[in-house]
Amino acid sequence: SQTIHQWPATLVQPVGSPLSLECTVEGTSNPNLYWYRQAAGRGLQLLFYSVGIGQISSEVPQNLSASRPQDRQFILSSKKLLLSDSGFYLCAWSSRLAVFIDNEQFFGPGTRLTVL
Amino acid sequence: GENVEQHPSTLSVQEGDSAVIKCTYSDSASNYFPWYKQELGKRPQLIIDIRSNVGEKKDQRIAVTLNKTAKHFSLHITETQPEDSAVYFCAASPSASKIIFGSGTRLSIRP
Repeated sequence: SQTIHQWPATLVQPVGSPLSLECTVEGTSNPNLYWYRQAAGRGLQLLFYSVGIGQISSEVPQNLSASRPQDRQFILSSKKLLLSDSGFYLCAWSSRLAVFIDNEQFFGPGTRLTVL
Repeated sequence: GENVEQHPSTLSVQEGDSAVIKCTYSDSASNYFPWYKQELGKRPQLIIDIRSNVGEKKDQRIAVTLNKTAKHFSLHITETQPEDSAVYFCAASPSASKIIFGSGTRLSIRP
């Protein structure tokens, strides 16, 4: 079976500090990987997605970046956090294998980031 | 650009009544339309989806309809129950690797 991990679960960081959130997927190969942000009471905003190692597509201009150093590892980073970066960050994966529903997203447990 | 609009943002219905959530999308290339349910403090999970070659799909108390010409799709929940209370997200997929979510609808079921 497939499992998606995210850590840390919660994080409190001062403004201007760096950020690194990690997401790993088990039980599948060559997944599509996604980072979403969910501000309090708001919808899911797609930040980045990746269809393969080293391939990153950015959806919104911001001070965040993403990297995919390994097939099943997706990292969200920032050099200097802003107050507006606070939110709930969700990693997700989808498969291109025929046994899966087209582009069904499987979400990780999320990381709640508070920037003070 | 690609956009999915979702209405209403909040919805309160009496237990046993029906709830309808509507979405519109902008990218005519979208061919897959899932709906996700996010209970308080939990991750979103797929509850039903529809592909562009189908106009309607039903799964027990939940149904989705799609009007590809008008670029509209809707979620219908009948005989609502307290456990239906959650945030619901529609989404549209314009390509095999990309999906755009609506802003969400907070559904509350009144006892």
